[in-house]
Amino acid sequence: QAQLVQSGAEVKKPGASVQVSCKASGYTFTQFAMHWVRQAPGQRLEWMGWIHGGSGDTKYSQRFQGRVTITRDTSATTAYMELSSLRSEDTAVYYCARGEDIWGQGTLVTVSS
Amino acid sequence: EIVMTQSPATLSVSPGERATLSCRASQSVSRNLVWYQQKPGQAPRLLIYGASTRATGIPARFSGSGSGTEFTLTISSLQSEDFAVYYCQQYDNWPRTFGQGTKVEIK
Repeated sequence: QAQLVQSGAEVKKPGASVQVSCKASGYTFTQFAMHWVRQAPGQRLEWMGWIHGGSGDTKYSQRFQGRVTITRDTSATTAYMELSSLRSEDTAVYYCARGEDIWGQGTLVTVSS
Repeated sequence: EIVMTQSPATLSVSPGERATLSCRASQSVSRNLVWYQQKPGQAPRLLIYGASTRATGIPARFSGSGSGTEFTLTISSLQSEDFAVYYCQQYDNWPRTFGQGTKVEIK
């Protein structure tokens, strides 16, 4: 069945960048879009951006414009989300999601000096 | 962007009782709305899409209704495993936006 497996937890210093990967299996990667959503402690879910698995087209939330880059490797059926210029407020669990139905397990990114 | 507002913030319900959760959009999203359930330490789980269609494997006690700006999630008879946080999310417009969640707790 369709499954998304994300990379492991990260600890980063302010100003650094982080890349989270999302390995897809059990479905045709190029036929679906992949969203990236984050959830800071005790906060609501927040949509960051989206990439179409086939075309590679992307859309980003203006809130993260310029700091977030979403890419994919179709041969590896993996999507990537890179967030730069990290600050403490970026401490959150980051999720990938195939459309609205299949979610990765989440990756905790902690930003701390 | 479309602002999604959920009410109430917390709902205290006894097992076996009915729970009604509301979600309001700041502008029409047609029927392009989903409901998720999230338990501590877990990813969200899709319950309802298209405002009223249950996702695969979701029990019939979960039902969704509404269109435009007003939506409702009803859990007809709460089971112990249903105590969780519920989020609505619109997918009519970019950026996708979520409500702040309703926590359903044991009374």
